[in-house]
Amino acid sequence: AQTVTQSQPEMSVREAETVTLSCTYDTSENNYYLFWYKQPPSRQMILVIRQEAYKQQNATENRFSVNFQKAAKSFSLKISDSQLGDTAMYFCAFISTSGNTPLVFGKGTRLSVIA
Amino acid sequence: KAGVTQTPRYLIKTRGQQVTLSCSPISGHRSVSWYQQTPGQGLQFLFEYFSETQRNKGNFPGRFSGRQFSNSRSEMNVSTLELGDSALYLCASSLVAGGPGTQYFGPGTRLTVL
Repeated sequence: AQTVTQSQPEMSVREAETVTLSCTYDTSENNYYLFWYKQPPSRQMILVIRQEAYKQQNATENRFSVNFQKAAKSFSLKISDSQLGDTAMYFCAFISTSGNTPLVFGKGTRLSVIA
Repeated sequence: KAGVTQTPRYLIKTRGQQVTLSCSPISGHRSVSWYQQTPGQGLQFLFEYFSETQRNKGNFPGRFSGRQFSNSRSEMNVSTLELGDSALYLCASSLVAGGPGTQYFGPGTRLTVL
């Protein structure tokens, strides 16, 4: 069974600074997708970024980028120029391309951006 | 395009009652998944429906059930409510089932069982 581990329950960062959230996963699959979702206090789960395992190039979305290390089964999220609106719970998630297993989430990292 | 909608947004029920939650996916999406979110257990998968068929089911008791209609709208039902069923129930839709189908979430239904 796949597992996703987020080792940082809470983090804080000052506005305009950069922060990196860690995620590791365990799987025997070779083809899969990884995601970072953001859940602000409003509770709406929002997709931040997605990475296909077959792509070596790390995904980027504006201020958000990932460091995907397939051999190490590591998938960290870097937030540059942090903004107050980035304050949220961040969840790392995994799904196999086989389609036979559901999306698996980590426990989340609570990020606070401080003015 | 309208996002995933869930109704109702808030519910208060008492133990022993039953409840039905509704989810309307993004137009064109045929897969709907349900999750239970609690502070202690985090996000737990309930079930996934695709083209009116249940494809996957999580490790929940039979009191939790669901269905999907021909227009891809989905409902989940919880019978004989227990205090521990208090949670945020999230619905997500995707174009295809599993694999490359990125899931987009609704705002959730907050269920409180008294």
